[in-house]
Order: sequence, then structure tokens, then C-alpha cells
Amino acid sequence: TQLLEQSPQFLSIQEGENLTVYCNSSSVFSSLQWYRQEPGEGPVLLVTVVTGGEVKKLKRLTFQFGDARKDSSLHITAAQPGDTGLYLCAGVIWGGTSYGKLTFGQGTILTVHP
Amino acid sequence: EAQVTQNPRYLITVTGKKLTVTCSQNMNHEYMSWYRQDPGLGLRQIYYSMNVEVTDKGDVPEGYKVSRKEKRNFPLILESPSPNQTSLYFCASSFLNEQYFGPGTRLTVT
Repeated sequence: TQLLEQSPQFLSIQEGENLTVYCNSSSVFSSLQWYRQEPGEGPVLLVTVVTGGEVKKLKRLTFQFGDARKDSSLHITAAQPGDTGLYLCAGVIWGGTSYGKLTFGQGTILTVHP
Repeated sequence: EAQVTQNPRYLITVTGKKLTVTCSQNMNHEYMSWYRQDPGLGLRQIYYSMNVEVTDKGDVPEGYKVSRKEKRNFPLILESPSPNQTSLYFCASSFLNEQYFGPGTRLTVT
């Protein structure tokens, strides 16, 4: 059973379009992270959101954490071919240790055509 | 440069032939982990280590072993690889749950 459902799995758009990727769960997370992965490389952390309702912006990327801390979204404005890649969300649930358990969604493969 | 390194990057082997994938980090992180990435399944944690000599199972530990004798190194051992272990493997070290991933090892078991 996938704890984090990411949608859509595939997204193919033209340069200049806007898009949103969703990450949903029935579980409450302590924090949620978004990573971007390019072919032949490991995922790279883009952002961590911690507070319910939090919104963070990274240039043309806007990340939002749901009020109940069960879901998150990534919105890209005016997508560019350089945005092409695999986007992964990952939720953290704090346990009894100083490190929480990290669970990844299935990922969204984004292709931006020139 | 802060980084996580893995070797080898590509490996083709046969069923049952023991192999080790090495992982090393230079960020002095206490927490390290191994993931496998399969299409449609995302990243799944195999094993993790919270410090030297402290390791524990992740979500898919069957068929794998790890050791953590030094803080910087966290090798992944497949004692008897099987074709269902064909996958893309990532090592990661963490600070406050933010993962820093290695470049990946693509393993094919025939």
C-alpha cells in the first residue's frame, strides 16, 4: 500500500504552460519534502515544508503544505524545458528517535517541450 | 565538495554471485540509508543506519545486508543476488531528515 499518492504520474506540456503536481495521503506528516531527479543522477532536495498551510516559493516553483499536513502540491509557472525531470514528494513521520521515517511517493515524470 | 559517492555505477552480475556496493559520504552525517528505485514504485528504503554500528531494516530489507563500521561508509551487500533485485540503488546521508543522495548504482542480475 502506497502511503503517499502522487499525481499525475506523467505530465507532458509545452514551454510556457503552468502545471501542478499533487501529493496526497491519509496520514499526517511532520514535514514534507520535494525532490527533483534528472536521468543518471540521484534526487536533489528542492524544499521542505513543515507547518500546515505553509507556502514556499523557489523562483517559478510554489510549494504548499495542506492545512491538515496530509497533502502537498507543487505548482510550476511558465514551465521551461530545463524543468524536465522526475519530481518526488516525501513525507516524514517523527517516531521515537531524532530521525523520522521518510516515505516517498511514486513520482511524477515531467516533460516540457520547447 | 560535499558529496555522497557510490561504486560501482553500473553492475551486471549473475544469480547467486555475492556483491557489494560501496557508499561513502564526506559530510560527517550520522544517518545514512539505502534505497531502491523501481518504475511506478518510487524510492523504497532498504536499510538505514543512525550511527556507527547501529543499523535497522527499512521497508524492503529481504535479500540485503549492511554494515556501518565507520561513520563515512555504509556498504550494501547482496549475499546471493536474484533477478528481482535488478534495480537502481541509491545511497543517501541525512541531516535533519533532508536526504543527500549518491548518483545511483544500476544493478542487473541475470
